[in-house]
Amino acid sequence: DIQMTQSPSSLSASVGDRVTITCQASQDISNSLNWYQQEPGKAPKLLIYDATNLETGVPSRFSGSGSGTDFTFTISSLQPEDIATYYCQQYDNLPRTFGQGTKLDIK
Amino acid sequence: QVQLQESGPGLVKPSETLSLTCTVSSGSISSYYWNWIRQPPGKGLEWIGYIYYRGNTNYNPSLKSRVTISIDTSKKQFSLKLTSVTAADTAVYYCVRAHPVRGGPSWFDYWGQGTLVTVSS
Repeated sequence: DIQMTQSPSSLSASVGDRVTITCQASQDISNSLNWYQQEPGKAPKLLIYDATNLETGVPSRFSGSGSGTDFTFTISSLQPEDIATYYCQQYDNLPRTFGQGTKLDIK
Repeated sequence: QVQLQESGPGLVKPSETLSLTCTVSSGSISSYYWNWIRQPPGKGLEWIGYIYYRGNTNYNPSLKSRVTISIDTSKKQFSLKLTSVTAADTAVYYCVRAHPVRGGPSWFDYWGQGTLVTVSS
């Protein structure tokens, strides 16, 4: 299985801050990497697919970059509604695997 | 707007079989991969497996011996059966659509609301 390692596991930031989460794959996955947002008590929501593509309707303050084994997810200006847990997920190999999640809250 | 809705018992006894059904509305069941993903309380996401609309399946090796996913395209439903459950199978179970890329599911774009299944006597 491909292991996906996210860091940090949790993060506190202020409204307006730039927030960055990293995801490292245990082997080269090219750009086969997606990012999800999960608000408390809700199903995950797709934000970024193919490492850099913004899903339709997702605010432009969210972005993704990277390829190979190292990926980055960025919120350019944190908003109160961004409080959630964020997950990366690879689809280069089966079984599909997720990172352990990064819990983001407001300082 | 595609909608997915899980249904099934919320409580299953240890050693019995967990059975869930997902109904797809407002969208085609063709040309996509249909997945089950679970999340134990307070923990991360685990992909269980998929079924393609043509009936091809693939399961997570960690669960493969206990999992069966089936599909009924005429009813726009797909189902999960997980046998010999234990407390470790207690989780929120999500049914999820995925786009096909290179012969497999890629990004998970539509999710059901999830259903909590508790394994307890």
